[in-house]
Amino acid sequence: EPEVTQTPSHQVTQMGQEVILRCVPISNHLYFYWYRQILGQKVEFLVSFYNNEISEKSEIFDDQFSVERPDGSNFTLKIRSTKLEDSAMYFCASLSGSPSYEQYFGPGTRLTVT
Amino acid sequence: QQPVQSPQAVILREGEDAVINCSSSKALYSVHWYRQKHGEAPVFLMILLKGGEQKGHDKISASFNEKKQQSSLYLTASQLSYSGTYFCGTAVNTGTASKLTFGTGTRLQVTL
Repeated sequence: EPEVTQTPSHQVTQMGQEVILRCVPISNHLYFYWYRQILGQKVEFLVSFYNNEISEKSEIFDDQFSVERPDGSNFTLKIRSTKLEDSAMYFCASLSGSPSYEQYFGPGTRLTVT
Repeated sequence: QQPVQSPQAVILREGEDAVINCSSSKALYSVHWYRQKHGEAPVFLMILLKGGEQKGHDKISASFNEKKQQSSLYLTASQLSYSGTYFCGTAVNTGTASKLTFGTGTRLQVTL
């Protein structure tokens, strides 16, 4: 069964460093998302992406964040200058589009900022 | 504004039933249910669309009451594998790119 994959599974970085989290969505899906989950809390929406541009973003997704689909298969989330509060699980999700509205989540990347 | 889930936590013995509720103050287009086990990604269970519907597979079913903007997830004859945190995610837009806003989750523990 097709699935969303994410790399790395765990990333440790120092405050102020740049990180890139990578996702490979399900191949025929058209809509892509990033969510994050701080330990013990709910899943929070960051950004949605369709047709090579951002569809919607949350207030969390400030200028330090960017997304890209560089080669038609990967979908990346970049954090330019990480802060301690960026420590969380980051989930990528994808959705095929009408008639299916199901968002499938990847296994996540645990980001630890020290 | 995030949907409100209740109860926050529930402990069941194997074979017992449970109901988890998800309420929104906004008009919803769809409600998505996920189960998440500790340290793992949320796993999609089912989606209910505006129009008020009920769905189910195996011993897990759900309903969506459009008038009340409330969805309920029904777990019958619970199994140990049902343990985890259940989240509802709600979408208010009709677009398929609509973001999901998640509730704070209901922690379900099934014991022998």
